Amino acid sequence: GQQVMQIPQYQHVQEGEDFTTYCNSSTTLSNIQWYKQRPGGHPVFLIQLVKSGEVKKQKRLTFQFGEAKKNSSLHITATQTTDVGTYFCADGGGSNYKLTFGKGTLLTVNP
Amino acid sequence: DSGVTQTPKHLITATGQRVTLRCSPRSGDLSVYWYQQSLDQGLQFLIHYYNGEERAKGNILERFSAQQFPDLHSELNLSSLELGDSALYFCASKSGGSPGSPLHFGNGTRLTVT
Repeated sequence: GQQVMQIPQYQHVQEGEDFTTYCNSSTTLSNIQWYKQRPGGHPVFLIQLVKSGEVKKQKRLTFQFGEAKKNSSLHITATQTTDVGTYFCADGGGSNYKLTFGKGTLLTVNP
Repeated sequence: DSGVTQTPKHLITATGQRVTLRCSPRSGDLSVYWYQQSLDQGLQFLIHYYNGEERAKGNILERFSAQQFPDLHSELNLSSLELGDSALYFCASKSGGSPGSPLHFGNGTRLTVT
């Protein structure tokens, strides 16, 4: 089945630094979803991208969908300790109804 | 609060035993997904039900089974438990059966097999 690869697996930053996680697929994605899981918590939906080249912003978070719809990124500007958690991308579309997740990027922030 | 309820929160049992995990989706949601989360495997898709019918299966072991009842709650049954089945099991729901709408996750059931 379709898989999404996510890198890096871990990222440690100093508070105030930027952070980016990348999601790649070998096949075209109909849409991609991003989730955040705080330590000890459950995944929480952040955003969905549908259109080729789409860019969406949520405060300090910027989400992009590649032109070929095979990759996506999440960029956080000026990280804060509240950004700590694991960020997952998920293949949100297709006809297989599976909603497959990447392995996630664990972000830790040093205050 | 996502509106998805999972019980129990924690479960400790021995190898070879059988357990049932329960999930109540958000009010009005017809789709229920089950995921297994272990440290090295991320969120592994197990199975998806829509309005009582199985829609998709992931890498679910034959020892595992699930169902969705007429009131839309779902149960995940794990039998002949092994140490490697220790993990966090999440249920998630969404309103439609088609891809493209976001999932709402419950708080999970942490299963420990000793």
